[in-house]
Amino acid sequence: DADVTQTPRNRITKTGKRIMLECSQTKGHDRMYWYRQDPGLGLRLIYYSFDVKDINKGEISDGYSVSRQAQAKFSLSLESAIPNQTALYFCATSPTGKSVGELFFGEGSRLTVL
Amino acid sequence: AQKVTQAQTEISVVEKEDVTLDCVYETRDTTYYLFWYKQPPSGELVFLIRRNSFDEQNEISGRYSWNFQKSTSSFNFTITASQVVDSAVYFCALSEAGTDSWGKFQFGAGTQVVVTP
Repeated sequence: DADVTQTPRNRITKTGKRIMLECSQTKGHDRMYWYRQDPGLGLRLIYYSFDVKDINKGEISDGYSVSRQAQAKFSLSLESAIPNQTALYFCATSPTGKSVGELFFGEGSRLTVL
Repeated sequence: AQKVTQAQTEISVVEKEDVTLDCVYETRDTTYYLFWYKQPPSGELVFLIRRNSFDEQNEISGRYSWNFQKSTSSFNFTITASQVVDSAVYFCALSEAGTDSWGKFQFGAGTQVVVTP
């Protein structure tokens, strides 16, 4: 089983619908992230959380919200989806410590907004 | 603010050729970390290497090698004797460790490597 699990893996929805992407991890990491990947733009940070009570906006947080329900769970919501939110979304975790450890990614959630 | 530039959008090579991927970064911090990730056609992101700003030693891992030069703010990646399985998108990333950007990762746009038989 994957250490970082994202659901759903694929989703097609319509403009204006509310969508939630869920992420759970078994790695025991405190730090969790949501990234969005678009062709030619790399991965851009939407939100990140360094513990259950810590939520921070990334560079492209507009139109998104998150919830850190537990150490192991970090959900991303699109309150009213629009077509330019069509993208591949990745959840990631990183180990706690004085140094910055590498990111461990989920398998991605492909979202299409019609 | 941190920034990562991968100027090469796509590189095509024939199998067994060497390929070098460029990565140039910008940061104000003296302490930072650099990473390379591989994204094969299946879509997952695979961690390749992590390097901190105080360690400028080059590294070799099998057919992969990395050249870190602080003087030019570059962290280039070379695949020697490329194989078809090396076909993927490769991302360079930076994370600062001395400011409120600590733990945030900035990715480059990625370089698509296509290796043909």
